[in-house]
Amino acid sequence: DTGVSQDPRHKITKRGQNVTFRCDPISEHNRLYWYRQTLGQGPEFLTYFQNEAQLEKSRLLSDRFSAERPKGSFSTLEIQRTEQGDSAMYLCASSSQGKGAGELFFGEGSRLTVL
Amino acid sequence: QKEVEQDPGPLSVPEGAIVSLNCTYSNSAFQYFMWYRQYSRKGPELLMYTYSSGNKEDGRFTAQVDKSSKYISLFIRDSQPSDSATYLCAMKKGLTGGGNKLTFGTGTQLKVEL
Repeated sequence: DTGVSQDPRHKITKRGQNVTFRCDPISEHNRLYWYRQTLGQGPEFLTYFQNEAQLEKSRLLSDRFSAERPKGSFSTLEIQRTEQGDSAMYLCASSSQGKGAGELFFGEGSRLTVL
Repeated sequence: QKEVEQDPGPLSVPEGAIVSLNCTYSNSAFQYFMWYRQYSRKGPELLMYTYSSGNKEDGRFTAQVDKSSKYISLFIRDSQPSDSATYLCAMKKGLTGGGNKLTFGTGTQLKVEL
């Protein structure tokens, strides 16, 4: 299966620790997105990349959050000094730039629990 | 007020029923409209993707967009227990505005009972 892959699927951490999530997009997709979803809510946009360039960041992405996509393939999302309010599902999605550019394909998500 | 409003449900229907799911939105810049299905603890899965006003049918699913009323709908015919999931509407502005950033509704939880 060549869908969007995320790792780890679930992370439990203590407040104040740093966590990092990885996303491997569909190989032919050059756009990659991070969303956050809390219980009972729809996903909220965090940031997106076109190739290795980070083109947009949401105000939700505080200074403790950093995302990278160094070679235009996989991406990492790091959260420093985690807080209980960071507990959520972090979803990665990818899309192509040409035909079908609006169709985002999501991974299974990385669920973060901050104790 | 949220840009996209969706009744969270839960909505419970008997097997075989026709299901109607709806969203309203306030931003007239939205041009592309999508419906995603999300099973518990899984990522959203794209069901339908439409541009501007009109209808689109795919199997048991029909998506309807009324831009004049800022209202979109998803109809599911002959609903099955396997359709039990949360249905998220999503929309985005034109290609020149905001890339592919989607704005989602809160999702409607659907349960189809035997």
